Amino acid sequence: NAGVTQTPKFQVLKTGQSMTLQCAQDMNHNSMYWYRQDPGMGLRLIYYSASEGTTDKGEVPNGYNVSRLNKREFSLRLESAAPSQTSVYFCASRQGPNSNQPQHFGDGTRLSIL
Amino acid sequence: RKEVEQDPGPFNVPEGATVAFNCTYSNSASQSFFWYRQDCRKEPKLLMSVYSSGNEDGRFTAQLNRASQYISLLIRDSKLSDSATYLCAVTAGTASKLTFGTGTRLQVTL
Repeated sequence: NAGVTQTPKFQVLKTGQSMTLQCAQDMNHNSMYWYRQDPGMGLRLIYYSASEGTTDKGEVPNGYNVSRLNKREFSLRLESAAPSQTSVYFCASRQGPNSNQPQHFGDGTRLSIL
Repeated sequence: RKEVEQDPGPFNVPEGATVAFNCTYSNSASQSFFWYRQDCRKEPKLLMSVYSSGNEDGRFTAQLNRASQYISLLIRDSKLSDSATYLCAVTAGTASKLTFGTGTRLQVTL
C-alpha cells in the first residue's frame, strides 16, 4: 500500500530557481495538505485542498503556489526559491473535511536552497 | 495564545517508567483529536485517535477533557523504542484541517 507518495525525496536548489514538489495519494481521500517543518517550529500548514477543485491558504503561504491536479494529486510550487524556504516538506491527505479521520503523511521532501 | 500547545520536553525517563503528556487546545468547538509519533527526520505517524470516553491501545492510553480543553497521552512500561517526539493534533476553527502542536520529545533510557 503506497499511501501518500512524495517526489523528490531530496533536492538542492540555488536561490531564484523554481521547482515543483509532487504528491499523490491512493486512498481516495478528498482533502490534501502541504506542511513545512523547521527545527523548533513544528508543522506549519502552507496550503490545503479540502476537496478536489478547491485550495486555501494555510499559516505560511507566501512564496508558494499549489495545484490540485485531480483527486489524487496535489503539487506545491516554489516560483523563486529563497534560503528561508530550506525545510522539510510533508504532504498529507485525509478522508474529508467532515470526517473524524486522521491525516496520513508522505515521507517528506528535504529541500535545501543555497 | 497558540491554538494547540504542548510542553516541548524533553522528558527523560528510565525504561519501564510511566510517563504522561498533555496537550491543550484553545478552540472549544474542536471535534477531532489525535496523537502522532514522529521519529527523527521521519514523517509523523498516527499513534491513536482520542475519543470522548478515553481509549487504550496496549501500553498507550489517551484521554480527552473537554471542560479543561486538553488531551493526554499516557505511556506505561516505557520501552527504548518509545523514544520519539509525540505530536497532538486537533481540528481547530474548521473541520477541514488539523492543527498540530509543536510536539513533546520523549527519551527513554536504560
